[in-house]
Amino acid sequence: AQSVAQPEDQVNVAEGNPLTVKCTYSVSGNPYLFWYVQYPNRGLQFLLKYITGDNLVKGSYGFEAEFNKSQTSFHLKKPSALVSDSALYFCAVRDQLTGGYQKVTFGIGTKLQVIP
Amino acid sequence: DTGVSQNPRHKITKRGQNVTFRCDPISEHNRLYWYRQTLGQGPEFLTYFQNEAQLEKSRLLSDRFSAERPKGSFSTLEIQRTEQGDSAMYLCASSLAPVLEQFFGPGTRLTVL
Repeated sequence: AQSVAQPEDQVNVAEGNPLTVKCTYSVSGNPYLFWYVQYPNRGLQFLLKYITGDNLVKGSYGFEAEFNKSQTSFHLKKPSALVSDSALYFCAVRDQLTGGYQKVTFGIGTKLQVIP
Repeated sequence: DTGVSQNPRHKITKRGQNVTFRCDPISEHNRLYWYRQTLGQGPEFLTYFQNEAQLEKSRLLSDRFSAERPKGSFSTLEIQRTEQGDSAMYLCASSLAPVLEQFFGPGTRLTVL
């Protein structure tokens, strides 16, 4: 079974400060990992993914995420937060050993509030 | 707009009625997914199509739920004999194999009275 945990319901950060949104996962094999963002009244938008290789993954809007296999984590980061980054962020996982199944499991989301 | 579209955006129905939602994926995408999202939760996988074949169904998808993708393009999700517990946002996403990231539509919000 695959699962993902986002331990923080909400993260508050001042504009211009670095931000981190935490995610941990559990899979039987190796993971595919994703971050999506959801703005109010809009659909989820893909930010970045980890498949294999470099543990630091760069994505859209200046976001990046660090894959840590020993800690089974995939935290989302940005060096300098913008007010426009305020949104709901979802971490998602898919076990690579799925025999072709495509089911992706999402976390419950973390609300990011960037304070001007 | 060449993104994923869903219709209707909102649906209010009475318990026991049948409802049908439509999803139009990005035109060249061969994979299509349905999810359900309730308040305070992330999207929960319901079902997945590769072209017109329905290849995966979640245990969440009871016998009252059925999905089709008859020509490998648009898809419909039907809920029969709706219950108040079916109230949720129903999301559709598409992707082009073997690319993994999914592109989501705006969702259909269902309210069952």
